Amino acid sequence: GAVVSQHPSWVICKSGTSVKIECRSLDFQATTMFWYRQFPKQSLMLMATSNEGSKATYEQGVEKDKFLINHASLTLSTLTVTSAHPEDSSFYICSATGALGNYGYTFGSGTRLTVV
Amino acid sequence: GEDVEQSLFLSVREGDSSVINCTYTDSSSTYLYWYKQEPGAGLQLLTYIFSNMDMKQDQRLTVLLNKKDKHLSLRIADTQTGDSAIYFCAESHTGNQFYFGTGTSLTVIP
Repeated sequence: GAVVSQHPSWVICKSGTSVKIECRSLDFQATTMFWYRQFPKQSLMLMATSNEGSKATYEQGVEKDKFLINHASLTLSTLTVTSAHPEDSSFYICSATGALGNYGYTFGSGTRLTVV
Repeated sequence: GEDVEQSLFLSVREGDSSVINCTYTDSSSTYLYWYKQEPGAGLQLLTYIFSNMDMKQDQRLTVLLNKKDKHLSLRIADTQTGDSAIYFCAESHTGNQFYFGTGTSLTVIP
């Protein structure tokens, strides 16, 4: 149980365009979802925390107007990278937890974004 | 924010034991985790330990926690080539939000 599906697995886009990444909890209701970013050979960095039905809380240094997060339902959160630039190329991973807390289990498989 | 530190690289010979170390600064950490990441893939939870435990063993994996020194280690017995990956330790005091270490790249030499 507690499966998180992330889509797409990889995407290539042109500079200036926007890209949407989806994170779905398949068999549980995810009251909270987290978005992480990983640069090559670096650790995961928490970008933002989103609770269903409310605005996301962004970590310091993360531009909320650039990385739009929507958590409109208990099974879906989306991250939209707006006006993407090559420096946004990275590996993005979501994780989700339900009301009872899924302690560290439920991470998506990640999305490799390449901006050209 | 919380700091979680790991050494970047480790090489071992196939069949030997691997020990990956991690230190953290947050004394209120409640949960500590080890994740494995293979190239291009997401995170796979290997094991976790609560802060009131000193040791946890799960098949080839042994986790040791020294809460006084804020030191966590992961021992992989009889390391295989399939164990080559990046290993992240992570800490949390809520069970929901995680802070990750820099990752240790484990290379297993046949």
